[in-house]
Amino acid sequence: GQNIDQPTEMTATEGAIVQINCTYQTSGFNGLFWYQQHAGEAPTFLSYNVLDGLEEKGRFSSFLSRSKGYSYLLLKELQMKDSASYLCAVMDSNYQLIWGAGTKLIIKP
Amino acid sequence: TAGITQAPTSQILAAGRSMTLRCTQDMRHNAMYWYRQDLGLGLRLIHYSNTAGTTGKGEVPDGYSVSRANTDDFPLTLASAVPSQTSVYFCASSDREGYEQFFGPGTRLTVL
Repeated sequence: GQNIDQPTEMTATEGAIVQINCTYQTSGFNGLFWYQQHAGEAPTFLSYNVLDGLEEKGRFSSFLSRSKGYSYLLLKELQMKDSASYLCAVMDSNYQLIWGAGTKLIIKP
Repeated sequence: TAGITQAPTSQILAAGRSMTLRCTQDMRHNAMYWYRQDLGLGLRLIHYSNTAGTTGKGEVPDGYSVSRANTDDFPLTLASAVPSQTSVYFCASSDREGYEQFFGPGTRLTVL
């Protein structure tokens, strides 16, 4: 079956760095997406990885290892507004997104 | 630019009743999707459409139907609602399959 695993909840301090991990087992692979979802709102796109390595975009970076079925999202210089759920999703061989349950990130002052 | 709009924002529905959730996008995207999001579970795909005039079944299609008469609109119909269909429903679109998806604000549906 297809499976995306990520931690349910993480806590970090304002100004610090946090890494959110995602492991996956899917039928085929056409890229991995990270989305941010604030409570009561729609998911919004953060990053896309299809090749191994690190993609950096401002305070956010995303890493992919296809051989290990592993990705992480790295958030630097955490701000209170980064408190949200972070969703990992893999595009399978049918170009459909398989979603993880999301990681709720709590930022403390 | 509105992006994707959904209506209604929220709804309470009696079991056995029918309902149509509306979704409209103004980005001229070819692909559109309906997801449901339940606590503790990831987004699950209900139905999708890769282009106007075509639709396909996702992971959890039972009890739902869709149509795609034109590029902009992608309504989701519950023919006879059941309590297990209580959920938050998101419509999304992408320029084409495989690309980044943009989400509407969601419809919170409660079936009693």
